[in-house]
Amino acid sequence: SQQGEEDPQALSIQEGENATMNCSYKTSINNLQWYRQNSGRGLVHLILIRSNEREKHSGRLRVTLDTSKKSSSLLITASRAADTASYFCATDSSGYSTLTFGKGTMLLVSP
Amino acid sequence: DAGVIQSPRHEVTEMGQEVTLRCKPISGHNSLFWYRQTMMRGLELLIYFNNNVPIDDSGMPEDRFSAKMPNASFSTLKIQPSEPRDSAVYFCASNTLQGIVPNEQFFGPGTRLTVL
Repeated sequence: SQQGEEDPQALSIQEGENATMNCSYKTSINNLQWYRQNSGRGLVHLILIRSNEREKHSGRLRVTLDTSKKSSSLLITASRAADTASYFCATDSSGYSTLTFGKGTMLLVSP
Repeated sequence: DAGVIQSPRHEVTEMGQEVTLRCKPISGHNSLFWYRQTMMRGLELLIYFNNNVPIDDSGMPEDRFSAKMPNASFSTLKIQPSEPRDSAVYFCASNTLQGIVPNEQFFGPGTRLTVL
């Protein structure tokens, strides 16, 4: 069963704009991870945030985590056409590094 | 490093046939995961190995599915007999589990399975 649920399911923006994707989950977690999947490819890890962290940055990515609301957000600043992909949040609740994925947000960045 | 290697990349078979998917994890990784991705159900964890031992196979849909990891550099996922509803993209991923330190997973390119 899905632990994380992304919102929105699809997002269409212009190059240069910011893209924000949200993820909600149901049970307590050890950490939350965001992955990107280009069409027809495997998933690529973007960023990991631990349950005791509130915010993390990596290049143009900013992730926040609110464990009281059981939610996370991924912000991509100054988006590029190359950012077009599906983005998934994944929660690690097991302590064994097993992940439960949401169904993802499809991001389309138009030139 | 070549990353996680999966073969074949595409497989088309007929209902009732046996299908074997293969995975070579990244050298040095001690955990291996098999996932299935469909439009309807998203990405689902099927089975997880740690140090070649199956730890959690609760995601394996039914007895037609089996997975093995005979050594640290090779794993197979077998479906026998295959059914059209098994059509999906199957991903293998690996990482290094070191105590409670969380780690990203490295995914292979996937095997797109079509069962006619």
